[in-house]
Amino acid sequence: GAGVSQTPSNKVTEKGKYVELRCDPISGHTALYWYRQSLGQGPEFLIYFQGTGAADDSGLPNDRFFAVRPEGSVSTLKIQRTERGDSAVYLCASSLMAGVDEQFFGPGTRLTVL
Amino acid sequence: EDQVTQSPEALRLQEGESSSLNCSYTVSGLRGLFWYRQDPGKGPEFLFTLYSAGEEKEKERLKATLTKKESFLHITAPKPEDSATYLCAVLNYGGSQGNLIFGKGTKLSVKP
Repeated sequence: GAGVSQTPSNKVTEKGKYVELRCDPISGHTALYWYRQSLGQGPEFLIYFQGTGAADDSGLPNDRFFAVRPEGSVSTLKIQRTERGDSAVYLCASSLMAGVDEQFFGPGTRLTVL
Repeated sequence: EDQVTQSPEALRLQEGESSSLNCSYTVSGLRGLFWYRQDPGKGPEFLFTLYSAGEEKEKERLKATLTKKESFLHITAPKPEDSATYLCAVLNYGGSQGNLIFGKGTKLSVKP
């Protein structure tokens, strides 16, 4: 079956611009997660959703970052006033339920802020 | 503070030369330990979940084991296609149900 998909695969933007990153989870998965991965590091947790609600957003670095999942399926990570330090690979994952099942990752979106 | 440390950072093997990767963890209460494989430019690919000390799981040339303080990923007679970064992550009872804590990974290179 289809895995987790993310669009775009690459995004280049200028400092100060707004970007949206999209994640389409595996069908039937109720939990959805966002991570950020810098070069040479493991993924770092940002936020996760159980259904439509954000169950834990403690990993969001500041209020420029926001994520939504309005219908409990597709999610969008939104970054306002981008900074060069936001450059990283943004990974999305999904699982059947949070806290129990393994998380399956998408290919990621590589964000470059010039 | 919950922490995951992987060693070595990088490992070079000849084809057929078996070895082990280490993942040491410090968590308030382990809900599960996960191993992933990550190829360059790709997202992590799930390999194993281990839940309790003494548990072992196998898949082809890979075998994962778990103790109360660490996990090992044993690679038997590796092939060049096993070259990748192997990530270890933990999920704990004390924190968020979604918050996987990852190590930095071990980059494995297998030469023919």
